[in-house]
Amino acid sequence: EIVLTQSPGTLSLSPGERATLSCRASQSVSSSLAWYLQKPGQAPRLLIYDASKRAPGIPARFSGSGSGTDFTLTISSLEPEDSAVYYCQQRSNWWTFGQGTKVEIK
Amino acid sequence: EVQLVESGGGVVQPGGSLRLSCAASGFTLTSNYMSWVRQAPGKGLEWVSATFTDGRTFYADSVKGRFTVSRDNSRNTMYLQMNSLRGDDTAVYYCSKDWVDWGQGTLVTVSS
Repeated sequence: EIVLTQSPGTLSLSPGERATLSCRASQSVSSSLAWYLQKPGQAPRLLIYDASKRAPGIPARFSGSGSGTDFTLTISSLEPEDSAVYYCQQRSNWWTFGQGTKVEIK
Repeated sequence: EVQLVESGGGVVQPGGSLRLSCAASGFTLTSNYMSWVRQAPGKGLEWVSATFTDGRTFYADSVKGRFTVSRDNSRNTMYLQMNSLRGDDTAVYYCSKDWVDWGQGTLVTVSS
């Protein structure tokens, strides 16, 4: 099973700041990586797929990068509504999720 | 508009069974890749099953042999039959289309 490790566990930033979230895979997943956000009481929402492609309707401030084992989700300028838990997911060998990074807006 | 509505959750005793439904509208179930994902209270996301358009279904090791996915094409509904339920199956269960569209989830609680 491919294990995904996300860091940091919690990120506390102010509106307008840049957020950088990391996801590391235990073995290469090529570019088969997706990012989701989830707000309390809601279903996950797909942000990024194939490591760097934005899903329909996702604002341009969200971007993904990386390949192999190291991936990054960047939120260029945080908005208050970006407060959520962010998960990465690999789709290379079955499907597994990381444990999540909580983004708090000060 | 794509819509997914899960139902069938509830409280069940350990060892019991439950069948969840995922009613789809706005698209044809059998023409799309569908999955079930669960989330234990306060925990992260866990993939449960994936069903391809040709009907092949794959299961996570944690549920293999206990959970079964089926589809009713006339109702455009997917089901998750869950048997031999355990405490660690307690979770909100979501169905998803292509990982893009998700239902609101249904809560399954396994407890005596």
